[in-house]
Amino acid sequence: AQSVTQLGSHVSVSEGALVLLRCNYSSSVPPYLFWYVQYPNQGLQLLLKYTSAATLVKGINGFEAEFKKSETSFHLTKPSAHMSDAAEYFCAVSKNTDKLIFGTGTRLQVFP
Amino acid sequence: DAEITQSPRHKITETGRQVTLACHQTWNHNNMFWYRQDLGHGLRLIHYSYGVQDTNKGEVSDGYSVSRSNTEDLPLTLESAASSQTSVYFCASSDGGLVETEAFFGQGTRLTVV
Repeated sequence: AQSVTQLGSHVSVSEGALVLLRCNYSSSVPPYLFWYVQYPNQGLQLLLKYTSAATLVKGINGFEAEFKKSETSFHLTKPSAHMSDAAEYFCAVSKNTDKLIFGTGTRLQVFP
Repeated sequence: DAEITQSPRHKITETGRQVTLACHQTWNHNNMFWYRQDLGHGLRLIHYSYGVQDTNKGEVSDGYSVSRSNTEDLPLTLESAASSQTSVYFCASSDGGLVETEAFFGQGTRLTVV
């Protein structure tokens, strides 16, 4: 069965520092991978998605993620954190282009 | 603008009562989903629908039911609420496959079963 594992339920960074949120997937076939962000008291919003067109995917708000098949990883990065990036981030996988299977989430805190 | 709305946003109910959570979307999407969000579990799929009169069970469907009588609505019913169903519930919709399109999420319903 396909699944995703997010390493670290909480990540704290200083404003201006690199953001790195980790996601590893398990799938018997090349998956479709997604990163969603959830701001406090809101629903989820799509940050970016990998659909096999390019291994480096750029998303909204300066985030990007790189698909590495050899490492079965799809880590999310942002060069310089901003206070407004504080939120919960979910990695998700889909094999059949319909249902999403979510990871357990990583809460990002940004300190001034 | 098109949107997806959930109601109520917050609800407290007693054990054993039947509860229905509403989800309404104006995107005219065929696919609709219900997830529950719990600490340490992320979001887990409860039920989903690919169109009118179509419903399917997700990974945590026990104790829940849905019906799809029109394109816009997918109400989620808890037949007999249990404390284990205290959670935040999210509805989502998408137009076809997730590769080509994006799933849009409602703002969630926080349900407390006492």
